[in-house]
Amino acid sequence: LAKTTQPISMDSYEGQEVNITCSHNNIATNDYITWYQQFPSQGPRFIIQGYKTKVTNEVASLFIPADRKSSTLSLPRVSLSDTAVYYCYHSGTYKYIFGTGTRLKVLA
Amino acid sequence: SQTIHQWPATLVQPVGSPLSLECTVEGTSNPNLYWYRQAAGRGLQLLFYSVGIGQISSEVPQNLSASRPQDRQFILSSKKLLLSDSGFYLCAWRGGSRGGLDTQYFGPGTRLTVL
Repeated sequence: LAKTTQPISMDSYEGQEVNITCSHNNIATNDYITWYQQFPSQGPRFIIQGYKTKVTNEVASLFIPADRKSSTLSLPRVSLSDTAVYYCYHSGTYKYIFGTGTRLKVLA
Repeated sequence: SQTIHQWPATLVQPVGSPLSLECTVEGTSNPNLYWYRQAAGRGLQLLFYSVGIGQISSEVPQNLSASRPQDRQFILSSKKLLLSDSGFYLCAWRGGSRGGLDTQYFGPGTRLTVL
């Protein structure tokens, strides 16, 4: 089963860049790495997905080293509304095992 | 575009009562469907997944069951609820092809409180 490890929580201030790292030592060759954002009482929302190197979209960047055993989600210039739980995972056949996620708190 | 619906949004049930939560997906065919549960302040726990009509895989042995009577309908049930069944239940779907881009899309969730 796919298993990921992330820091339990992080604090940041508005306007700062936040980097959240996820460890996925047993990632398979065909697996993509995906990050989700979840607000209280809502379903997780897709943020970004990548396979290797760097991926960037309008909300975040994803950095994946050559060995693909970890990945880093980068949120530029966070705001209070970015306070949420962030999950990473990589797929294993049809199953998706989410870790406990990283609870990001953005302070004014 | 694809949409996913869950109902009810909130539910309060007594211990020992039955449960039926429904999830439907629109705008896609032959999706993989998933039920997750999230206890307060905790991560997502995969309960069931289905790759086709009538095909259910269970991840956690418990008093819950799932059924998929139609291609885009996924139902979570219980004959007798326990206090420990309280939580936030999420349904998700994914495109049916394996490999490549691999994204799940989640519904709005059902908040279940068992008293």
